[in-house]
Amino acid sequence: DVKVTQSSRYLVKRTGEKVFLECVQDMDHENMFWYRQDPGLGLRLIYFSYDVKMKEKGDIPEGYSVSREKKERFSLILESASTNQTSMYLCASSLSGETLYFGPGTRLLVL
Amino acid sequence: GENVEQHPSTLSVQEGDSAVIKCTYSDSASNYFPWYKQELGKGPQLIIDIRSNVGEKKDQRIAVTLNKTAKHFSLHITETQPEDSAVYFCAARRGGQNFVFGPGTRLSVLP
Repeated sequence: DVKVTQSSRYLVKRTGEKVFLECVQDMDHENMFWYRQDPGLGLRLIYFSYDVKMKEKGDIPEGYSVSREKKERFSLILESASTNQTSMYLCASSLSGETLYFGPGTRLLVL
Repeated sequence: GENVEQHPSTLSVQEGDSAVIKCTYSDSASNYFPWYKQELGKGPQLIIDIRSNVGEKKDQRIAVTLNKTAKHFSLHITETQPEDSAVYFCAARRGGQNFVFGPGTRLSVLP
């Protein structure tokens, strides 16, 4: 079974802090994704990566950056957290670009 | 770009009844349409998908239909059970890695 793990289930940060969300997958998938989930808005793509050290902007990249130094690990970085970044963050991986395998999510609260 | 609408936003059915969730998409070039189920505290999980060259697909109690002309697709769940209670997301993919998700439908199956 594919396993996608995220470093934290819940996180509370202060405005202006730098925040790191880590994601690891164990199935040697090429593609990894960061989504943000908000009520009534569904899942919106922040960034994705199709190879080590490669990244592509999604629909809402502003205020975020990513890092992929190893194939199995994809990190989402909030350079200076703001209250409007309070949300559920979902990491996903895929082999073929079709089936997405999601992690359990990190619920981030920015105060 | 692609836009996906999903209705209804909430749906309550009696156990044993059928449930139907409908989605429409805007980009006629979209060619792959997955459905994801998200249970409480978990990440979304793929339950069924359909490609643009197919009109209908079934998997036990779950079916998906696609009308390319009208640009809409639907999820049908028959003989609903309490474990079907979850949030369901439809999505559309035009090509490459980028999916656009609908806002989600919260399904409650009442005993």
